[in-house]
Amino acid sequence: DAGVIQSPRHEVTEMGQEVTLRCKPISGHNSLFWYRQTMMRGLELLIYFNNNVPIDDSGMPEDRFSAKMPNASFSTLKIQPSEPRDSAVYFCASSFVQSNSPLHFGNGTRLTVT
Amino acid sequence: SQQGEEDPQALSIQEGENATMNCSYKTSINNLQWYRQNSGRGLVHLILIRSNEREKHSGRLRVTLDTSKKSSSLLITASRAADTASYFCATDDTGFQKLVFGTGTRLLVSP
Repeated sequence: DAGVIQSPRHEVTEMGQEVTLRCKPISGHNSLFWYRQTMMRGLELLIYFNNNVPIDDSGMPEDRFSAKMPNASFSTLKIQPSEPRDSAVYFCASSFVQSNSPLHFGNGTRLTVT
Repeated sequence: SQQGEEDPQALSIQEGENATMNCSYKTSINNLQWYRQNSGRGLVHLILIRSNEREKHSGRLRVTLDTSKKSSSLLITASRAADTASYFCATDDTGFQKLVFGTGTRLLVSP
């Protein structure tokens, strides 16, 4: 079991650039979640998918953020254009949706926008 | 939005001592979960307690839940240096695994 795999682990970019974060969930899991973690705001749920369909994107901060899940084994979170306030650690998590299933987190992507 | 608030924000103890962390939440829940996060890593699930349960054990972990007070506690007995991490409670906001995490407790266990 390889766990949830995120790439890249670190990303440094300049303001205005496009950033794409990638996630491979655990095989067999049918729910995928994107979280953002900052010191000021803690862990925030941005969006989650069930069976590749976005269920709730109310946590996505602005139209600059978009997420896709083209198939059961891959998801992307894109920020275009990026801003310094987007600097954070972005986590992807997956689970098999049923009552009381825990989330399995990747090790995150640390994004720095200068 | 954050559902849970952990208390204390930080806790420093010696190896062998017990560590107790508390979590308060605001709305009705189906279950409450505790996660651990080591520095630079993702969160790892520790234990889940259902709303109709009052206490649950897993190894050195003991979790209690008081739905009337909307609070939970996590007790780590006989702590070890390897327990140094941040601990988060999480509640299911809408019952569809939309977990909302608390602010976390940073635990430091010194040898």
